[in-house]
Amino acid sequence: GQQVMQIPQYQHVQEGEDFTTYCNSSTTLSNIQWYKQRPGGHPVFLIQLVKSGEVKKQKRLTFQFGEAKKNSSLHITATQTTDVGTYFCAGGLGYQLIWGAGTKLIIKP
Amino acid sequence: DGGITQSPKYLFRKEGQNVTLSCEQNLNHDAMYWYRQDPGQGLRLIYYSQIVNDFQKGDIAEGYSVSREKKESFPLTVTSAQKNPTAFYLCASSIRSGGAADTQYFGPGTRLTVL
Repeated sequence: GQQVMQIPQYQHVQEGEDFTTYCNSSTTLSNIQWYKQRPGGHPVFLIQLVKSGEVKKQKRLTFQFGEAKKNSSLHITATQTTDVGTYFCAGGLGYQLIWGAGTKLIIKP
Repeated sequence: DGGITQSPKYLFRKEGQNVTLSCEQNLNHDAMYWYRQDPGQGLRLIYYSQIVNDFQKGDIAEGYSVSREKKESFPLTVTSAQKNPTAFYLCASSIRSGGAADTQYFGPGTRLTVL
């Protein structure tokens, strides 16, 4: 079936360092959504991108949707302990969302 | 207070028993979904329903069954045919606007352990 590849699987950072996760689809997507799942919790919607080349910001988080609508990225500037969790992308194909495997953000002690 | 509720939060069952997980939403959403999440893994779609009295298999439907008799409710039964049922089960709903894939809203999940 259709897949959305997400890398890396894990990223260990020192608090204050930046974090980036990437998603790539072989098929053009109608939209891309990003979710965050805190440890022990459930995924929570962060943002949706619809337009080719779209960039959106939420405080320290920057989301991008590629020109071909096949890839997307989430960049967090100056990570904080509250950013810990797993970040999922989900690509829209018709009515369905195709989920990436997630990137787990781990803050080094 | 609108949202999605799943009960129970933790569930223990003996091997070979069927178990039904509850999912209720009062968001007036048309579409509902069941996902399975294994430790350190992503979400895998079990079943989804876009409208009452209709549902479709997802990627890993074997060993599971669902019903959608009411708009608000989408229970999932984990049958004894499911070979490895221990997992975190997440229910979600979306408005189904008719256009591109909609935002999904998740319940708190049920952690099922089969002993």
